[in-house]
Amino acid sequence: DIQMTQSPSSLSASVGDGVTITCQASQDISNHLNWYQQKPGKAPKLLIYDASNFEARVPSRFSGSGYGTLFIFRISSLQPEDVATYYCHQYDTLPLTFGGGTTVEVK
Amino acid sequence: QVQLVQSGAEVKKPGASVKVSCKASGYTFSSNAMHWVRQAPGQGLEWMGWIDAGNGNTKYSQKFQGRVTITRDTSASTVYMDLRGLTSEDTAVYFCARDSLRSGWYHFDYWGQGTLVTVSS
Repeated sequence: DIQMTQSPSSLSASVGDGVTITCQASQDISNHLNWYQQKPGKAPKLLIYDASNFEARVPSRFSGSGYGTLFIFRISSLQPEDVATYYCHQYDTLPLTFGGGTTVEVK
Repeated sequence: QVQLVQSGAEVKKPGASVKVSCKASGYTFSSNAMHWVRQAPGQGLEWMGWIDAGNGNTKYSQKFQGRVTITRDTSASTVYMDLRGLTSEDTAVYFCARDSLRSGWYHFDYWGQGTLVTVSS
């Protein structure tokens, strides 16, 4: 199985700060990576697909990049409504696997 | 608009089975594959399996092979996930999630609200 290692597991930042989350795959997955946001008690929501493509109606402060084994997710200016857990997800090879999640809090 | 509505919470005893449903609306049911993903309390997301809603083909995570069956009823636009031999480790919220593709796996563009399954003696 492809292991997806996310870091950090949690972070706290101020409103307006930039936030960066990394996701490392245990083998080359090309750009076959998605990012989801999950707010407490809710289902996940797709933000980024194919490593860097925006899902419709996702605010432009969210972005993704990367290829191969290393991927970056960024929030350019953290907002209070961004409090959530973020997951990377590889769809290159079955079984589909997720990173362990990064919980983002606002100071 | 696309909606995935799941069945209600379940409480089961160890060794029992549970069947969770996911009723789709707002799109052509057979045009998109469907996945099941679960989340144990306070934990991350875990993929269980997938069904091609058009032809009924399935793929399962090896972890659940032999214990899970995913089926669909095209007349009811509903996908089902049946999990057998429940243990306390199966206590989790179970989500259905629509794939953007008809066949294959890509990204999950719509999710159900989740169904809590509690396994307790």
